[in-house]
Amino acid sequence: DTAVSQTPKYLVTQMGNDKSIKCEQNLGHDTMYWYKQDSKKFLKIMFSYNNKELIINETVPNRFSPKSPDKAHLNLHINSLELGDSAVYFCASSQGSKGYTFGSGTRLTVV
Amino acid sequence: TQLLEQSPQFLSIQEGENLTVYCNSSSVFSSLQWYRQEPGEGPVLLVTVVTGGEVKKLKRLTFQFGDARKDSSLHITAAQPGDTGLYLCAGANRDDKIIFGKGTRLHILP
Repeated sequence: DTAVSQTPKYLVTQMGNDKSIKCEQNLGHDTMYWYKQDSKKFLKIMFSYNNKELIINETVPNRFSPKSPDKAHLNLHINSLELGDSAVYFCASSQGSKGYTFGSGTRLTVV
Repeated sequence: TQLLEQSPQFLSIQEGENLTVYCNSSSVFSSLQWYRQEPGEGPVLLVTVVTGGEVKKLKRLTFQFGDARKDSSLHITAAQPGDTGLYLCAGANRDDKIIFGKGTRLHILP
């Protein structure tokens, strides 16, 4: 019955690898997001998808590519991982301006 | 560029004390949200305020939106160890684009 679920919870990988993080929401929300939270806990938006259309791309490197097969899913694929990509990545969803429901995060460590 | 400044950055107080944290901006927001984030989890929405001057209460937590819709405060009465966490404010502009402040880390000592 989890509202926004993302997998995996932890991801440790070597530089140069390609990895994906999956996200699913069962709230019927129209918009889904990917956020990056750095070591200082600052949340910065990466992507926003509304009804499978990308509506925000906040100057994220093109190594990051979101994929939304349907309204309930928004996956994040990362190519050629770099040390600076290490962070916690959060998926979220929303309906209008009622606030976000976040997943529990994926802690990515690039070694 | 819209910015949200939260203060203080860190706050450590004894159980039972009262506290207020602040969220300030030079920009006007159509609404403002407060979230609490615990270690290893995602932020959880506490409240959304929409009208200038609006006050909302959630048990011992009181949220206020400034009259000009540029700032907000969160007041906690008789803090409990369970209130410990990272408190984030987030402002929404007219396009529903939301920006987050950098948060206040609150630690309640038993």
